[in-house]
Amino acid sequence: DIQMTQSPSTLSASVGDRVTITCRASQSIGNWLAWYQQKPGTAPKLLISKASSLESGVPSRFSGSGSETEFTLTISSLQPDDFATYYCQQYNSDSITFGQGTRLEIK
Amino acid sequence: QVQLQQWGAGLLKPSETLSLICGVYGGSFSGYYWSWIRQSPGKGLEWIGEINNSGRSNYNPSLKSRVTISIDASKNQFSLKLSSVTAADTAVYYCARAGFYLPAATLDYWGQGTLVTVSS
Repeated sequence: DIQMTQSPSTLSASVGDRVTITCRASQSIGNWLAWYQQKPGTAPKLLISKASSLESGVPSRFSGSGSETEFTLTISSLQPDDFATYYCQQYNSDSITFGQGTRLEIK
Repeated sequence: QVQLQQWGAGLLKPSETLSLICGVYGGSFSGYYWSWIRQSPGKGLEWIGEINNSGRSNYNPSLKSRVTISIDASKNQFSLKLSSVTAADTAVYYCARAGFYLPAATLDYWGQGTLVTVSS
């Protein structure tokens, strides 16, 4: 199994801040990496696929980068709606695995 | 607009079989892989497995021995069965749409989630 490790586990920030979340894969996954946002009581929402491709309707303040084993999700200017938990997901192998999540909370 | 609606029993006793169904409304059913994911209370996401309308399935190796995912293309539905459940299987279970002719891909449409509790 490919293990996905996110850091930090919790991130405290303020509206307007620029924040970055890191996701590391236990082996190379090329650019087969997605990012999801989840709010309490709701299903995850796909934000980014193929490491950097923004899904339709996702605000441009979200961006993704990286390849092989190290990836980042950046939010350029935090908005109140962005406080949520974020997960990375690899889909390089025939079995999907997720990171453990990063909770983005209001400072 | 694609919508996934799921249903099934929410309370099970240990050793029973979990059974959930997911209906797909709107959009194309054929060509896609259809997945099940679960999330234990306060924990992260765990992929359970997927199936396409040809019946080809892929499972999480850690659950494979207890999982069966099946499909009824005539009804645009797919289902999950997880046998011999224990308290460790207590979780919110989600169905989701995965890749178009691409197994183990991103998940772009999700059901509303079903809380399944295993308790004696």
